[in-house]
Amino acid sequence: AQSVTQPDIHITVSEGASLELRCNYSYGATPYLFWYVQSPGQGLQLLLKYFSGDTLVQGIKGFEAEFKRSQSSFNLRKPSVHWSDAAEYFCAVGDGAGGTSYGKLTFGQGTILTVHP
Amino acid sequence: NAGVTQTPKFQVLKTGQSMTLQCAQDMNHNSMYWYRQDPGMGLRLIYYSASEGTTDKGEVPNGYNVSRLNKREFSLRLESAAPSQTSVYFCASSRVLETQYFGPGTRLLVL
Repeated sequence: AQSVTQPDIHITVSEGASLELRCNYSYGATPYLFWYVQSPGQGLQLLLKYFSGDTLVQGIKGFEAEFKRSQSSFNLRKPSVHWSDAAEYFCAVGDGAGGTSYGKLTFGQGTILTVHP
Repeated sequence: NAGVTQTPKFQVLKTGQSMTLQCAQDMNHNSMYWYRQDPGMGLRLIYYSASEGTTDKGEVPNGYNVSRLNKREFSLRLESAAPSQTSVYFCASSRVLETQYFGPGTRLLVL
């Protein structure tokens, strides 16, 4: 069964500092990988996704993530954090090509990001 | 284009009451999903519908039923609500094997 681990429950950074949120997954074949962001009281918004090809993917709001198959990781990065980035971030893994789970996603537990001015 | 809509936004139930959460999408997606979100546990899949006319259990289906009414609509029913079903419920939709788009959520409190 697929699984996702986000080791950091809560991260605090200063505005303007760089950010890296960790995500490790367990999956037997080629995964689809996603990062979503959730602001308080809101639904989930897609930041970026990896399906295949270039292992460094760019997303919205200046975020990027790198797929490292050898480390089973898909860490999210941003060079300079803005106060508006404060939110909860979820990594998710889904069946890739050839999978039979019809795109079902497994989510990590989430990482809450606090940004200090 | 409203995307994924959910009703109601908030609901309070007493133990044993029933209710139906409604979800609709206007993106012509084949697949629809119901998740619940609990603190520290991320989102967990309750039921999904890969295409119109089909439904399957997810990770935490007990206590729930679903209906895929047509391509647009996918409802979640709690027949006899329990306090353990207090949660935030999200509906999502997607083309098969592609990005899922989420609704704004329904906050349910069961007393």
